[in-house]
Amino acid sequence: SAVISQKPSRDICQRGTSLTIQCQVDSQVTMMFWYRQQPGQSLTLIATANQGSEATYESGFVIDKFPISRPNLTFSTLTVSNMSPEDSSIYLCSVETGYQETQYFGPGTRLLVL
Amino acid sequence: SQQGEEDPQALSIQEGENATMNCSYKTSINNLQWYRQNSGRGLVHLILIRSNEREKHSGRLRVTLDTSKKSSSLLITASRAADTASYFCATDTGRRALTFGSGTRLQVQP
Repeated sequence: SAVISQKPSRDICQRGTSLTIQCQVDSQVTMMFWYRQQPGQSLTLIATANQGSEATYESGFVIDKFPISRPNLTFSTLTVSNMSPEDSSIYLCSVETGYQETQYFGPGTRLLVL
Repeated sequence: SQQGEEDPQALSIQEGENATMNCSYKTSINNLQWYRQNSGRGLVHLILIRSNEREKHSGRLRVTLDTSKKSSSLLITASRAADTASYFCATDTGRRALTFGSGTRLQVQP
Protein backbone atom coordinates (compact mmCIF):
# COMPACT_ATOMS: atom_id res chain seq x y z
CA SER A 1 0.00 0.00 0.00
CA ALA A 2 0.97 3.66 -0.09
CA VAL A 3 0.31 6.59 2.20
CA ILE A 4 -0.30 9.81 0.33
CA SER A 5 -0.58 13.31 1.71
CA GLN A 6 -1.72 16.47 -0.03
CA LYS A 7 -1.24 20.11 0.82
CA PRO A 8 -3.23 22.21 1.23
CA SER A 9 -6.27 20.23 2.28
CA ARG A 10 -8.52 23.10 1.27
CA ASP A 11 -8.25 26.68 0.10
CA ILE A 12 -10.37 29.60 -0.94
CA CYS A 13 -8.85 31.64 -3.74
CA GLN A 14 -9.68 34.71 -5.75
CA ARG A 15 -10.24 34.44 -9.47
CA GLY A 16 -7.19 35.15 -11.58
CA THR A 17 -4.76 33.76 -9.03
CA SER A 18 -2.90 30.43 -9.05
CA LEU A 19 -2.64 27.64 -6.50
CA THR A 20 -0.03 24.90 -6.30
CA ILE A 21 -1.09 21.60 -4.77
CA GLN A 22 1.53 19.24 -3.40
CA CYS A 23 1.35 15.46 -3.33
CA GLN A 24 3.78 13.43 -1.23
CA VAL A 25 4.02 9.62 -1.17
CA ASP A 26 5.72 7.54 1.51
CA SER A 27 7.40 5.26 -1.04
CA GLN A 28 8.93 5.53 -4.48
CA VAL A 29 6.38 5.12 -7.27
CA THR A 30 6.75 5.35 -11.00
CA MET A 31 3.30 6.54 -11.94
CA MET A 32 1.37 9.36 -10.35
CA PHE A 33 -1.93 10.75 -11.53
CA TRP A 34 -3.95 13.90 -10.96
CA TYR A 35 -7.74 13.87 -11.00
CA ARG A 36 -10.43 16.48 -10.66
CA GLN A 37 -13.81 15.97 -9.05
CA GLN A 38 -16.26 18.75 -9.72
CA PRO A 39 -19.11 19.26 -7.23
CA GLY A 40 -21.47 16.30 -7.21
CA GLN A 41 -19.60 14.60 -10.04
CA SER A 42 -17.31 11.66 -10.57
CA LEU A 43 -13.56 11.84 -11.02
CA THR A 44 -11.92 12.91 -14.25
CA LEU A 45 -8.27 12.34 -15.06
CA ILE A 46 -6.29 15.52 -15.64
CA ALA A 47 -2.86 14.07 -16.40
CA THR A 48 -0.36 11.31 -15.79
CA ALA A 49 2.93 12.40 -14.22
CA ASN A 50 5.97 10.18 -14.61
CA GLN A 51 9.32 11.10 -13.13
CA GLY A 52 11.81 12.24 -15.73
CA SER A 53 9.31 13.03 -18.44
CA GLU A 54 6.69 15.62 -19.19
CA ALA A 55 3.20 15.01 -17.94
CA THR A 56 0.66 13.55 -20.33
CA TYR A 57 -2.58 15.51 -20.36
CA GLU A 58 -6.07 14.27 -21.12
CA SER A 59 -8.34 15.88 -23.65
CA GLY A 60 -9.67 19.13 -22.30
CA PHE A 61 -6.71 19.80 -20.01
CA VAL A 62 -3.67 21.81 -21.06
CA ILE A 63 -0.26 22.41 -19.57
CA ASP A 64 -0.65 26.19 -19.46
CA LYS A 65 -3.68 25.83 -17.22
CA PHE A 66 -2.52 22.85 -15.14
CA PRO A 67 1.30 22.73 -15.09
CA ILE A 68 2.63 19.66 -13.31
CA SER A 69 6.04 18.94 -11.85
CA ARG A 70 7.45 15.54 -10.91
CA PRO A 71 10.95 16.14 -9.57
CA ASN A 72 11.40 12.71 -7.96
CA LEU A 73 9.69 9.38 -7.31
CA THR A 74 7.85 10.51 -4.17
CA PHE A 75 6.60 14.00 -4.97
CA SER A 76 4.52 15.92 -7.50
CA THR A 77 2.80 19.27 -7.76
CA LEU A 78 -0.21 20.44 -9.72
CA THR A 79 -0.76 24.14 -10.29
CA VAL A 80 -4.19 25.49 -11.12
CA SER A 81 -3.44 28.71 -13.01
CA ASN A 82 -5.49 31.83 -13.61
CA MET A 83 -8.37 30.37 -11.65
CA SER A 84 -12.04 30.95 -12.31
CA PRO A 85 -15.06 29.78 -10.30
CA GLU A 86 -15.37 26.82 -12.71
CA ASP A 87 -12.13 25.48 -11.25
CA SER A 88 -13.83 24.94 -7.88
CA SER A 89 -13.35 21.22 -7.36
CA ILE A 90 -11.62 18.58 -5.34
CA TYR A 91 -8.20 17.78 -6.78
CA LEU A 92 -6.81 14.35 -5.99
CA CYS A 93 -3.50 12.70 -6.68
CA SER A 94 -3.09 8.98 -6.88
CA VAL A 95 -0.31 6.46 -7.33
CA GLU A 96 -0.09 2.97 -8.69
CA THR A 97 2.20 0.69 -6.73
CA GLY A 98 2.85 -1.94 -9.38
CA TYR A 99 1.66 -3.41 -12.62
CA GLN A 100 -2.10 -3.97 -12.61
CA GLU A 101 -2.19 -3.14 -8.99
CA THR A 102 -4.29 -0.96 -6.80
CA GLN A 103 -4.32 2.79 -7.19
CA TYR A 104 -4.22 4.67 -3.92
CA PHE A 105 -5.58 8.15 -3.56
CA GLY A 106 -4.59 11.12 -1.49
CA PRO A 107 -7.15 12.85 0.73
CA GLY A 108 -7.77 15.53 -1.89
CA THR A 109 -7.53 19.30 -1.98
CA ARG A 110 -10.85 21.09 -1.85
CA LEU A 111 -10.60 24.32 -3.83
CA LEU A 112 -13.16 27.11 -3.89
CA VAL A 113 -12.63 29.98 -6.30
CA LEU A 114 -14.56 33.19 -5.68
CA SER B 1 -14.60 11.11 -20.34
CA GLN B 2 -16.33 8.51 -18.20
CA GLN B 3 -15.90 4.89 -19.12
CA GLY B 4 -19.43 3.96 -18.20
CA GLU B 5 -22.37 4.26 -15.95
CA GLU B 6 -23.33 3.00 -12.54
CA ASP B 7 -26.75 1.85 -11.58
CA PRO B 8 -28.60 2.87 -9.55
CA GLN B 9 -27.52 6.49 -9.14
CA ALA B 10 -28.91 6.43 -5.61
CA LEU B 11 -29.91 3.61 -3.28
CA SER B 12 -31.58 3.78 0.13
CA ILE B 13 -31.84 0.66 2.30
CA GLN B 14 -32.29 -0.36 5.92
CA GLU B 15 -29.47 -1.57 8.11
CA GLY B 16 -28.98 -5.30 7.74
CA GLU B 17 -30.15 -5.40 4.14
CA ASN B 18 -27.89 -6.13 1.21
CA ALA B 19 -26.91 -3.43 -1.28
CA THR B 20 -26.09 -4.17 -4.90
CA MET B 21 -24.50 -1.67 -7.26
CA ASN B 22 -23.85 -2.25 -10.93
CA CYS B 23 -21.21 -0.81 -13.21
CA SER B 24 -21.04 -0.95 -16.98
CA TYR B 25 -18.06 0.02 -19.08
CA LYS B 26 -17.35 0.44 -22.76
CA THR B 27 -13.93 -0.93 -23.69
CA SER B 28 -11.71 -3.87 -22.84
CA ILE B 29 -10.05 -3.64 -19.46
CA ASN B 30 -7.06 -4.98 -17.52
CA ASN B 31 -8.78 -4.60 -14.17
CA LEU B 32 -11.70 -2.95 -12.45
CA GLN B 33 -11.52 -1.34 -9.02
CA TRP B 34 -14.20 -0.26 -6.58
CA TYR B 35 -13.82 2.74 -4.30
CA ARG B 36 -15.82 4.35 -1.51
CA GLN B 37 -15.97 8.07 -0.87
CA ASN B 38 -17.47 9.61 2.23
CA SER B 39 -18.90 13.12 1.89
CA GLY B 40 -16.49 14.38 -0.77
CA ARG B 41 -13.38 13.18 1.03
CA GLY B 42 -10.60 11.00 -0.37
CA LEU B 43 -11.25 7.68 -2.01
CA VAL B 44 -10.87 4.45 -0.09
CA HIS B 45 -9.94 1.44 -2.16
CA LEU B 46 -12.28 -1.51 -1.63
CA ILE B 47 -11.36 -4.24 -4.07
CA LEU B 48 -9.61 -4.91 -7.39
CA ILE B 49 -10.72 -7.59 -9.81
CA ARG B 50 -8.63 -8.52 -12.82
CA SER B 51 -10.03 -9.20 -16.27
CA ASN B 52 -9.38 -12.93 -15.97
CA GLU B 53 -11.28 -13.17 -12.68
CA ARG B 54 -15.02 -13.59 -12.33
CA GLU B 55 -15.62 -13.10 -8.63
CA LYS B 56 -13.79 -11.82 -5.55
CA HIS B 57 -14.69 -11.52 -1.92
CA SER B 58 -13.41 -9.26 0.81
CA GLY B 59 -15.21 -9.35 4.13
CA ARG B 60 -18.81 -8.24 3.48
CA LEU B 61 -17.98 -7.29 -0.10
CA ARG B 62 -18.51 -9.46 -3.15
CA VAL B 63 -17.55 -8.28 -6.61
CA THR B 64 -18.38 -9.99 -9.88
CA LEU B 65 -17.04 -9.23 -13.34
CA ASP B 66 -18.58 -10.25 -16.65
CA THR B 67 -16.24 -9.17 -19.42
CA SER B 68 -18.58 -10.46 -22.14
CA LYS B 69 -21.22 -8.02 -20.93
CA LYS B 70 -18.68 -5.38 -19.87
CA SER B 71 -20.26 -5.14 -16.46
CA SER B 72 -19.44 -5.56 -12.80
CA SER B 73 -21.44 -5.61 -9.61
CA LEU B 74 -20.60 -4.81 -6.01
CA LEU B 75 -22.61 -6.50 -3.29
CA ILE B 76 -22.41 -5.28 0.29
CA THR B 77 -24.01 -7.76 2.66
CA ALA B 78 -25.56 -6.97 6.03
CA SER B 79 -25.17 -3.24 5.49
CA ARG B 80 -24.44 -0.82 8.31
CA ALA B 81 -25.10 2.88 8.73
CA ALA B 82 -21.33 3.39 8.38
CA ASP B 83 -21.57 2.06 4.80
CA THR B 84 -23.36 5.26 3.81
CA ALA B 85 -21.16 6.76 1.10
CA SER B 86 -20.72 7.13 -2.63
CA TYR B 87 -19.33 4.11 -4.43
CA PHE B 88 -17.39 4.32 -7.69
CA CYS B 89 -16.15 1.72 -10.09
CA ALA B 90 -13.02 2.54 -12.06
CA THR B 91 -11.43 0.71 -14.97
CA ASP B 92 -7.84 0.35 -16.09
CA THR B 93 -7.81 -0.17 -19.84
CA GLY B 94 -4.06 -0.71 -19.93
CA ARG B 95 -3.13 2.94 -19.68
CA ARG B 96 -2.70 2.50 -15.91
CA ALA B 97 -4.77 5.64 -15.32
CA LEU B 98 -8.32 4.96 -14.17
CA THR B 99 -11.58 5.91 -15.83
CA PHE B 100 -14.38 6.32 -13.33
CA GLY B 101 -18.04 5.51 -13.49
CA SER B 102 -20.70 7.97 -12.48
CA GLY B 103 -21.06 6.61 -8.96
CA THR B 104 -23.84 5.29 -6.72
CA ARG B 105 -24.90 7.17 -3.60
CA LEU B 106 -25.79 4.64 -0.91
CA GLN B 107 -27.83 5.63 2.13
CA VAL B 108 -28.19 3.05 4.90
CA GLN B 109 -30.93 3.92 7.35
CA PRO B 110 -30.32 2.86 10.97
